[in-house]
Amino acid sequence: NAGVMQNPRHLVRRRGQEARLRCSPMKGHSHVYWYRQLPEEGLKFMVYLQKENIIDESGMPKERFSAEFPKEGPSILRIQQVVRGDSAAYFCASSPPSAITYEQYFGPGTRLTVT
Amino acid sequence: AQSVTQLDSQVPVFEEAPVELRCNYSSSVSVYLFWYVQYPNQGLQLLLKYLSGSTLVESINGFEAEFNKSQTSFHLRKPSVHISDTAEYFCAVSPNNAGNMLTFGGGTRLMVKP
Repeated sequence: NAGVMQNPRHLVRRRGQEARLRCSPMKGHSHVYWYRQLPEEGLKFMVYLQKENIIDESGMPKERFSAEFPKEGPSILRIQQVVRGDSAAYFCASSPPSAITYEQYFGPGTRLTVT
Repeated sequence: AQSVTQLDSQVPVFEEAPVELRCNYSSSVSVYLFWYVQYPNQGLQLLLKYLSGSTLVESINGFEAEFNKSQTSFHLRKPSVHISDTAEYFCAVSPNNAGNMLTFGGGTRLMVKP
């Protein structure tokens, strides 16, 4: 059973460009979480999605950031008009569709560098 | 809301020495507790978790953590570390109801020296 996959692993964007980060959850998992890790800091929750639904986006910046998890295909975290402060590692985690989802499995992350 | 504090950002230790990585949390609701390990340029791997029952939980590679409700702590310990234990360790909590995000501490970098 393949683990959580993220691509690209490294992404370089110039200021003002768009960044698209993809996450394929583990097989059978329908819950996806996105976290951001700034340099020398812990992970901060951004958004929690189930198929076709945003459940909790309390950690998402109000502007330029959006996330989706369509019925088919990977979850996408989209950052428009990137700025240098968006440089970070972005991790996706998934969990199975049970009533109590307490264990999350993490992908290897996408390291975004904004120049 | 929850918060997690890892008091030590770096812990240097010699190989085969014991180590304790401290974690304290605050929460207005009951929580589940986790320790994750992150090796350089990799994602996080679950090391161990406390959900309920015995307050002492163990991992397969010799780490253990004890949940102390009165002190709101979940310290991680290992009696004898190896060079391969060098990594970043994150403590995290999640409210013990359905489908909630993890709140992480700032991480502790364990540096094992020969």
